[in-house]
Amino acid sequence: QQQVKQSPQSLIVQKGGISIINCAYENTAFDYFPWYQQFPGKGPALLIAIRPDVSEKKEGRFTISFNKSAKQFSLHIMDSQPGDSATYFCAASTGSSNTGKLIFGQGTTLQVKP
Amino acid sequence: EAGVTQFPSHSVIEKGQTVTLRCDPISGHDNLYWYRRVMGKEIKFLLHFVKESKQDESGMPNNRFLAERTGGTYSTLKVQPAELEDSGVYFCASSLRPKANYGYTFGSGTRLTVV
Repeated sequence: QQQVKQSPQSLIVQKGGISIINCAYENTAFDYFPWYQQFPGKGPALLIAIRPDVSEKKEGRFTISFNKSAKQFSLHIMDSQPGDSATYFCAASTGSSNTGKLIFGQGTTLQVKP
Repeated sequence: EAGVTQFPSHSVIEKGQTVTLRCDPISGHDNLYWYRRVMGKEIKFLLHFVKESKQDESGMPNNRFLAERTGGTYSTLKVQPAELEDSGVYFCASSLRPKANYGYTFGSGTRLTVV
């Protein structure tokens, strides 16, 4: 049973466009929702994260939108650049617990065309 | 600061053989995690060490997998005997604190192919 569902599986966007990746979760105990960015040959790296007490968090061109009632959250990449081409993973955790365990989505491969 | 180091970066072994993956966490990070990504699927949690103790090993698939962290420094993940379905990318991560919301640092992974 997959607790975090991510879509789309792949995404192609023109340079300057907006990339949107969506995730949905089941477990209402989750209280920490990070996004990780992974370039080929590298490990995932934390990009941006949000807690469920806010509906939006913005860091530069990256924004997380969070809808607690719908149990959904999304990543928006504004003014997408070829350097943003990577695989993006959403994740969820009970961040206040001591396990440190993250539940990941399946990943979205983003290609930004010049 | 050196990052999380994993080796080998790639390993191709035959079904039935044994493979040992190694992870060197960031110095001073007591928390070490193993994850695995089977092709095209989600990254799945395997286990979490706090120093040399297993805090959570709920994600270990079966008893063919053995993880150790002697002395609370580097960790090894041994697969014996390897099966075809064990193929995937194995990631190690480390963190100062055991809480996910502090974020942790991943290594580049070991790509394991069982043929």
